Amino acid sequence: ETGVTQTPRHLVMGMTNKKSLKCEQHLGHNAMYWYKQSAKKPLELMFVYNFKEQTENNSVPSRFSPECPNSSHLFLHLHTLQPEDSALYLCASSQGTSGSVNEQFFGPGTRLTVL
Amino acid sequence: GQNIDQPTEMTATEGAIVQINCTYQTSGFNGLFWYQQHAGEAPTFLSYNVLDGLEEKGRFSSFLSRSKGYSYLLLKELQMKDSASYLCAAMDSNYQLIWGAGTKLIIKP
Repeated sequence: ETGVTQTPRHLVMGMTNKKSLKCEQHLGHNAMYWYKQSAKKPLELMFVYNFKEQTENNSVPSRFSPECPNSSHLFLHLHTLQPEDSALYLCASSQGTSGSVNEQFFGPGTRLTVL
Repeated sequence: GQNIDQPTEMTATEGAIVQINCTYQTSGFNGLFWYQQHAGEAPTFLSYNVLDGLEEKGRFSSFLSRSKGYSYLLLKELQMKDSASYLCAAMDSNYQLIWGAGTKLIIKP
């Protein structure tokens, strides 16, 4: 138990569906992240929020839309996804975004399958 | 470009020692992290090095050479529960983590 929870753990959706992934951290951290993890590939950073403000958006397609209503909650809204978007989506949090305070605590992930 | 290289897979025997290497090329450098990820689980933090040298934490040690762009994770007295993927990540000048693809470590009895 890392103090970061994600729901749902598994999600199967069609290309025309709209769904949302939820992440919550109970660590009092200020920064939250969304990553995509595909088999045998490096973790891909998607979005970073620091003190609720988006600080990174690594050329992510607009069919992925993040939302950070407060420092403890992070959402990833999904719509009109493609089969190649199937992957493990990991949420993480850290105390800050520089130096050793960038130690990130990960949630268990949402295994997404797009049909 | 920025790049992290680590072996895809390694095999070792229970009770033995294994060294997982990682080389990095980043725009600036603000430290190197190692994470452990068991299959189907979240990555968990193992170590952070920013200065040259060896840092020991129980059975696990991590080494960094900034001049060579090189790090390794050393696991001693291997146990079956150490079977996992080990992720190397370097922090660049913008404090962004650049991740390797991970090394899958298989422990045999």
